[in-house]
Amino acid sequence: AQSVTQPDIHITVSEGASLELRCNYSYGATPYLFWYVQSPGQGLQLLLKYFSGDTLVQGIKGFEAEFKRSQSSFNLRKPSVHWSDAAEYFCAVGASSGNTGKLIFGQGTTLQVKP
Amino acid sequence: NAGVTQTPKFQVLKTGQSMTLQCAQDMNHEYMSWYRQDPGMGLRLIHYSVGAGITDQGEVPNGYNVSRSTTEDFPLRLLSAAPSQTSVYFCASTRLAGWGETQYFGPGTRLLVL
Repeated sequence: AQSVTQPDIHITVSEGASLELRCNYSYGATPYLFWYVQSPGQGLQLLLKYFSGDTLVQGIKGFEAEFKRSQSSFNLRKPSVHWSDAAEYFCAVGASSGNTGKLIFGQGTTLQVKP
Repeated sequence: NAGVTQTPKFQVLKTGQSMTLQCAQDMNHEYMSWYRQDPGMGLRLIHYSVGAGITDQGEVPNGYNVSRSTTEDFPLRLLSAAPSQTSVYFCASTRLAGWGETQYFGPGTRLLVL
């Protein structure tokens, strides 16, 4: 069965520091991978997605993610974090059955940014 | 263009009560879905619909009913609320079913069942 694991429940970084959020997935074929961000009290917003091709994917707000098949990982990165990046981040994989658009989410990582 | 809207934003129910969570989108999207979000568990799919008149179960469908009589609306019904259904509920829509499309999420409904 497909699954997504985000090993870090909570991460704190200083403003201006670099960020990497980890995501590991379990899937038998080439996965469809996503990163979403949820600001407090808000719905989810898509940051970026990977379907195929270049394994380094650029997203909105200066985020990028790298797909590593050998490590079953899709880690999210940002070179310099801003205070407005404080939010909860979800990694997700597209469920395989019928290409129906079903998403399986990780548990989420809460990012705190120190001034 | 309001995107995906959900009502109410917050609701308190007593065990055994019924209610309907509303979801509407004005983007003419074919695919709509409901998720629940619980601490430490991410989002889990409850039900989804690939078009008007077509619905199917997701990962955690028990205790919930859905229908899709129009393209725009996808209500979620709790027939007899239980404390285990205390959660935040998100509705999402996509232009078409399939991974080439982006899912748009509503702002959520926070439900407390006492």
